[in-house]
Amino acid sequence: SQTIHQWPATLVQPVGSPLSLECTVEGTSNPNLYWYRQAAGRGLQLLFYSVGIGQISSEVPQNLSASRPQDRQFILSSKKLLLSDSGFYLCAWRRKGNTEAFFGQGTRLTVV
Amino acid sequence: LAKTTQPISMDSYEGQEVNITCSHNNIATNDYITWYQQFPSQGPRFIIQGYKTKVTNEVASLFIPADRKSSTLSLPRVSLSDTAVYYCLVVTGNTDKLIFGTGTRLQVFP
Repeated sequence: SQTIHQWPATLVQPVGSPLSLECTVEGTSNPNLYWYRQAAGRGLQLLFYSVGIGQISSEVPQNLSASRPQDRQFILSSKKLLLSDSGFYLCAWRRKGNTEAFFGQGTRLTVV
Repeated sequence: LAKTTQPISMDSYEGQEVNITCSHNNIATNDYITWYQQFPSQGPRFIIQGYKTKVTNEVASLFIPADRKSSTLSLPRVSLSDTAVYYCLVVTGNTDKLIFGTGTRLQVFP
């Protein structure tokens, strides 16, 4: 069966510090991968998606970047965090040709 | 990508049937209608998908009229644990992007 791992579950970081969130998927190959952010009480904002290794599409210009160094690994990064980067970050995967997506448990990031 | 429109919030009481309608006027021939449920501090969970007419599973029913420009998610006899945000998405297997709208926040009261 397929599983998705996302860590850490919670993170408190000072303004100006770097960020690295990691997401890995098991039990499938060549998935589409997604990073979303959800502000408190708001909907999901698509940040990045990837259809293959090294292929990153950015949806919203911002202080974040994403990388996919391996087929089932998706990393969200920032060089210098802003207060506005606080939120609930979710990673998801989807098998190509399918309509259903599977989400990780999320990382709650608080920038102080 | 077909844009979707849903009510921002709905209230209900335990035991009632809840119907959440989603508009997707620009739906394409190859698009499927999918619904997700999200509890606080968790990722969304896929609950149902349909193309036309009616689909039913252990969680919900999905009603889609012939023109497919809208769909209605029906939750029979809701309980407090159905309090969540429900998202409607229109997707195809070939769509790389997955765009979620603001969803419908359902609050179930005792």
